[in-house]
Amino acid sequence: NAGVTQTPKFQVLKTGQSMTLQCAQDMNHEYMSWYRQDPGMGLRLIHYSVGAGITDQGEVPNGYNVSRSTTEDFPLRLLSAAPSQTSVYFCASSYGLVKTTPSSTDTQYFGPGTRLTVL
Amino acid sequence: RKEVEQDPGPFNVPEGATVAFNCTYSNSASQSFFWYRQDCRKEPKLLMSVYSSGNEDGRFTAQLNRASQYISLLIRDSKLSDSATYLCVVNPMDSSYKLIFGSGTRLLVRP
Repeated sequence: NAGVTQTPKFQVLKTGQSMTLQCAQDMNHEYMSWYRQDPGMGLRLIHYSVGAGITDQGEVPNGYNVSRSTTEDFPLRLLSAAPSQTSVYFCASSYGLVKTTPSSTDTQYFGPGTRLTVL
Repeated sequence: RKEVEQDPGPFNVPEGATVAFNCTYSNSASQSFFWYRQDCRKEPKLLMSVYSSGNEDGRFTAQLNRASQYISLLIRDSKLSDSATYLCVVNPMDSSYKLIFGSGTRLLVRP
Protein backbone atom coordinates (compact mmCIF):
# COMPACT_ATOMS: atom_id res chain seq x y z
CA ASN A 1 0.00 0.00 0.00
CA ALA A 2 1.15 3.51 -0.80
CA GLY A 3 -0.74 4.89 2.22
CA VAL A 4 -1.64 8.57 1.91
CA THR A 5 -0.14 10.41 -1.04
CA GLN A 6 -0.15 14.14 -1.70
CA THR A 7 0.78 16.18 -4.73
CA PRO A 8 2.50 18.48 -5.32
CA LYS A 9 5.25 18.44 -2.68
CA PHE A 10 6.04 22.12 -3.24
CA GLN A 11 4.09 24.94 -4.84
CA VAL A 12 4.56 28.69 -5.25
CA LEU A 13 1.54 30.79 -6.15
CA LYS A 14 0.89 34.44 -6.73
CA THR A 15 -1.83 36.20 -4.78
CA GLY A 16 -5.21 35.59 -6.41
CA GLN A 17 -4.28 32.37 -8.17
CA SER A 18 -6.25 29.21 -7.56
CA MET A 19 -5.03 25.66 -7.31
CA THR A 20 -5.93 22.20 -6.08
CA LEU A 21 -3.90 20.12 -3.66
CA GLN A 22 -4.39 16.45 -4.33
CA CYS A 23 -4.74 13.75 -1.68
CA ALA A 24 -5.37 10.06 -2.15
CA GLN A 25 -5.35 7.01 0.11
CA ASP A 26 -5.46 3.33 -0.73
CA MET A 27 -6.39 1.97 2.71
CA ASN A 28 -10.16 2.17 2.19
CA HIS A 29 -10.44 4.67 5.03
CA GLU A 30 -13.77 6.40 5.44
CA TYR A 31 -12.40 9.45 7.24
CA MET A 32 -10.16 11.99 5.58
CA SER A 33 -9.10 15.46 6.58
CA TRP A 34 -6.94 18.41 5.68
CA TYR A 35 -4.75 20.27 8.15
CA ARG A 36 -2.43 23.21 7.88
CA GLN A 37 0.66 23.60 10.03
CA ASP A 38 2.20 26.97 10.77
CA PRO A 39 5.27 27.74 12.90
CA GLY A 40 4.47 27.83 16.62
CA MET A 41 0.97 26.51 16.08
CA GLY A 42 -0.42 23.03 16.13
CA LEU A 43 -1.99 21.42 13.13
CA ARG A 44 -5.33 23.09 12.48
CA LEU A 45 -8.21 21.30 10.82
CA ILE A 46 -9.42 22.89 7.59
CA HIS A 47 -12.07 20.47 6.31
CA TYR A 48 -12.89 16.85 6.85
CA SER A 49 -14.99 14.09 5.33
CA VAL A 50 -16.64 11.11 6.97
CA GLY A 51 -17.29 9.33 3.69
CA ALA A 52 -17.84 9.81 -0.01
CA GLY A 53 -20.22 12.69 -0.65
CA ILE A 54 -19.99 14.03 2.91
CA THR A 55 -17.78 16.93 3.95
CA ASP A 56 -17.76 19.40 6.80
CA GLN A 57 -15.83 22.43 7.96
CA GLY A 58 -13.08 22.34 10.49
CA GLU A 59 -11.47 25.11 12.49
CA VAL A 60 -10.11 27.24 9.63
CA PRO A 61 -12.20 26.61 6.48
CA ASN A 62 -12.28 30.09 4.96
CA GLY A 63 -10.65 30.31 1.54
CA TYR A 64 -10.73 26.55 0.97
CA ASN A 65 -13.15 24.14 -0.66
CA VAL A 66 -13.25 20.36 -0.64
CA SER A 67 -15.22 17.57 -2.27
CA ARG A 68 -15.25 13.81 -1.79
CA SER A 69 -16.55 12.05 -4.86
CA THR A 70 -14.75 8.79 -4.11
CA THR A 71 -13.50 7.07 -0.97
CA GLU A 72 -9.92 7.36 -2.18
CA ASP A 73 -9.61 11.04 -3.12
CA PHE A 74 -10.04 14.23 -1.13
CA PRO A 75 -8.76 17.30 -3.01
CA LEU A 76 -8.39 20.70 -1.37
CA ARG A 77 -9.03 23.76 -3.50
CA LEU A 78 -7.66 27.21 -2.82
CA LEU A 79 -10.09 29.60 -4.43
CA SER A 80 -8.01 32.79 -4.51
CA ALA A 81 -4.64 32.36 -2.84
CA ALA A 82 -3.54 34.86 -0.19
CA PRO A 83 -0.16 35.23 1.57
CA SER A 84 -1.88 34.12 4.81
CA GLN A 85 -2.33 30.72 3.21
CA THR A 86 1.42 30.15 3.07
CA SER A 87 1.77 26.99 5.12
CA VAL A 88 2.45 23.27 5.10
CA TYR A 89 -0.67 21.29 4.27
CA PHE A 90 -1.19 17.74 5.45
CA CYS A 91 -3.87 15.34 4.37
CA ALA A 92 -4.78 12.55 6.77
CA SER A 93 -7.03 9.53 6.82
CA SER A 94 -8.25 7.10 9.42
CA TYR A 95 -10.36 3.98 9.52
CA GLY A 96 -12.96 5.07 12.02
CA LEU A 97 -14.24 7.57 14.46
CA VAL A 98 -12.29 8.64 17.49
CA LYS A 99 -13.84 6.72 20.35
CA THR A 100 -13.74 7.11 24.09
CA THR A 101 -11.38 4.15 24.31
CA PRO A 102 -8.38 4.41 21.99
CA SER A 103 -8.22 1.72 19.37
CA SER A 104 -6.28 1.01 16.23
CA THR A 105 -9.03 2.61 14.18
CA ASP A 106 -8.21 6.00 15.67
CA THR A 107 -4.79 6.26 14.10
CA GLN A 108 -4.51 9.14 11.71
CA TYR A 109 -2.21 8.41 8.77
CA PHE A 110 -0.72 11.54 7.28
CA GLY A 111 0.53 12.25 3.80
CA PRO A 112 4.03 13.71 3.31
CA GLY A 113 2.70 17.27 3.09
CA THR A 114 2.58 20.07 0.54
CA ARG A 115 4.66 23.18 1.19
CA LEU A 116 2.79 26.13 -0.25
CA THR A 117 4.14 29.66 -0.60
CA VAL A 118 1.87 32.48 -1.71
CA LEU A 119 3.66 35.62 -2.87
CA ARG B 1 -6.13 29.88 26.63
CA LYS B 2 -5.16 27.31 24.01
CA GLU B 3 -7.12 24.07 24.06
CA VAL B 4 -3.92 22.04 24.15
CA GLU B 5 -0.70 23.52 25.49
CA GLN B 6 2.82 22.20 25.37
CA ASP B 7 6.22 23.56 26.33
CA PRO B 8 7.88 24.15 22.95
CA GLY B 9 11.35 23.31 24.32
CA PRO B 10 13.80 22.42 23.00
CA PHE B 11 14.71 19.83 25.57
CA ASN B 12 18.41 19.14 25.03
CA VAL B 13 19.46 15.90 26.73
CA PRO B 14 22.41 13.48 26.49
CA GLU B 15 22.02 9.97 25.19
CA GLY B 16 20.76 7.64 27.89
CA ALA B 17 18.91 10.34 29.78
CA THR B 18 15.32 10.16 30.90
CA VAL B 19 13.11 13.02 29.76
CA ALA B 20 9.47 13.85 30.39
CA PHE B 21 7.03 16.14 28.62
CA ASN B 22 3.72 17.37 29.89
CA CYS B 23 0.73 18.60 27.95
CA THR B 24 -2.31 20.34 29.42
CA TYR B 25 -5.78 20.42 27.91
CA SER B 26 -8.63 22.78 28.66
CA ASN B 27 -11.74 20.72 27.94
CA SER B 28 -12.49 18.52 30.93
CA ALA B 29 -14.83 16.40 28.79
CA SER B 30 -11.97 15.23 26.58
CA GLN B 31 -11.80 11.46 26.37
CA SER B 32 -9.12 10.40 23.91
CA PHE B 33 -5.47 11.37 24.03
CA PHE B 34 -2.51 10.61 21.83
CA TRP B 35 1.16 11.37 21.35
CA TYR B 36 2.38 11.83 17.79
CA ARG B 37 5.98 12.18 16.70
CA GLN B 38 7.03 14.53 13.92
CA ASP B 39 10.51 14.51 12.43
CA CYS B 40 11.85 17.67 10.82
CA ARG B 41 9.94 18.49 7.63
CA LYS B 42 8.06 15.21 7.78
CA GLU B 43 4.50 14.19 8.52
CA PRO B 44 3.29 13.35 12.05
CA LYS B 45 3.11 9.68 12.97
CA LEU B 46 1.30 8.07 15.89
CA LEU B 47 3.68 7.26 18.73
CA MET B 48 1.14 5.96 21.21
CA SER B 49 -2.38 6.35 22.46
CA VAL B 50 -2.85 7.34 26.10
CA TYR B 51 -5.10 5.10 28.16
CA SER B 52 -6.78 6.09 31.40
CA SER B 53 -4.67 3.61 33.34
CA GLY B 54 -1.46 4.72 31.69
CA ASN B 55 0.45 2.61 29.22
CA GLU B 56 3.96 1.69 28.30
CA ASP B 57 5.57 0.80 25.00
CA GLY B 58 9.22 -0.12 25.39
CA ARG B 59 11.10 2.98 26.52
CA PHE B 60 8.00 5.17 26.28
CA THR B 61 5.41 5.63 29.02
CA ALA B 62 2.27 7.74 28.74
CA GLN B 63 0.18 8.86 31.68
CA LEU B 64 -3.14 10.66 31.99
CA ASN B 65 -4.10 12.85 34.94
CA ARG B 66 -7.75 13.81 34.55
CA ALA B 67 -7.95 15.77 37.78
CA SER B 68 -5.23 18.15 36.67
CA GLN B 69 -6.07 17.81 32.97
CA TYR B 70 -2.68 16.85 31.67
CA ILE B 71 -1.01 13.98 29.92
CA SER B 72 2.66 13.12 30.07
CA LEU B 73 5.19 11.28 27.99
CA LEU B 74 8.28 9.75 29.58
CA ILE B 75 11.18 8.59 27.45
CA ARG B 76 13.80 6.44 29.14
CA ASP B 77 17.32 5.73 27.88
CA SER B 78 17.08 8.39 25.17
CA LYS B 79 18.52 7.57 21.76
CA LEU B 80 19.82 9.95 19.12
CA SER B 81 16.94 8.74 16.95
CA ASP B 82 14.45 10.07 19.49
CA SER B 83 15.28 13.62 18.40
CA ALA B 84 12.01 14.94 17.01
CA THR B 85 9.01 17.06 17.89
CA TYR B 86 6.39 15.37 20.04
CA LEU B 87 2.80 16.44 19.47
CA CYS B 88 0.11 16.11 22.10
CA VAL B 89 -3.29 15.38 20.55
CA VAL B 90 -6.67 15.51 22.24
CA ASN B 91 -10.17 14.63 21.12
CA PRO B 92 -12.42 17.12 22.93
CA MET B 93 -15.49 14.95 22.26
CA ASP B 94 -17.66 17.79 21.01
CA SER B 95 -17.08 16.06 17.69
CA SER B 96 -16.16 12.43 17.45
CA TYR B 97 -13.87 13.19 14.55
CA LYS B 98 -12.19 16.37 15.69
CA LEU B 99 -8.65 16.26 17.00
CA ILE B 100 -6.83 19.17 18.59
CA PHE B 101 -3.07 19.23 18.14
CA GLY B 102 -0.65 20.94 20.45
CA SER B 103 2.14 22.92 18.84
CA GLY B 104 4.69 20.32 19.92
CA THR B 105 7.69 19.88 22.17
CA ARG B 106 11.05 19.62 20.49
CA LEU B 107 13.54 17.07 21.80
CA LEU B 108 17.23 17.08 20.92
CA VAL B 109 19.28 14.10 22.06
CA ARG B 110 23.02 14.73 21.89
CA PRO B 111 25.85 12.15 21.82
